[in-house]
Amino acid sequence: TQTVSQSDAHVTVFEGDSVELRCNYSYGGSIYLSWYIQHHGHGLQFLLKYYSGNPVVQGVNGFEAEFSKSDSSFHLRKASVHWSDSAVYFCAVSATGANTGKLTFGHGTILRVHP
Amino acid sequence: NSKVIQTPRYLVKGQGQKAKMRCIPEKGHPVVFWYQQNKNNEFKFLINFQNQEVLQQIDMTEKRFSAECPSNSPCSLEIQSSEAGDSALYLCASSLSYEQYFGPGTRLTVL
Repeated sequence: TQTVSQSDAHVTVFEGDSVELRCNYSYGGSIYLSWYIQHHGHGLQFLLKYYSGNPVVQGVNGFEAEFSKSDSSFHLRKASVHWSDSAVYFCAVSATGANTGKLTFGHGTILRVHP
Repeated sequence: NSKVIQTPRYLVKGQGQKAKMRCIPEKGHPVVFWYQQNKNNEFKFLINFQNQEVLQQIDMTEKRFSAECPSNSPCSLEIQSSEAGDSALYLCASSLSYEQYFGPGTRLTVL
């Protein structure tokens, strides 16, 4: 069974600041990790993924994330945020080995970007 | 951007009524998932299909919930007798590989 923890329920920054949203997971096997963004009233938009290779992965809109097996983490970062990045961010995990695996989500981090 | 289509966007039902929502996955994606997102941002996996066959489903979907993904028709999720606790955003996702692409969801309110 996989579990996901997003330790920060809320993060508030100013436009132009850098931000890191934290995600820790627990699972004993090979894992697939991803981040999604959800703007108010909308569905989930895929940001980026990791399952092997370079532990730093690039995503859409300047987001990147770094996988750490030793820390069981997959933190999301952006060097310079824009007000439009205000949304809820979800980290998700699933077991690899098949593309039919259900996602297990964290409870989300609400990012507020002040202009 | 995701091309998963979900209808209707909003659904209001009384307790005990049927609630049905539909999903058209991205073209060429053989796997379809349904999730329930409650107001506390807790996600619950409900069921998934590969081509028209059920792969996994949780117990709740075996009782009041039913779902299908017929060939050449939209997938659907139906709640036979809605309860207040079913009020949530129902998300459909489709997948070709590991990435799952989500539709906008159907927000169900059970009065």
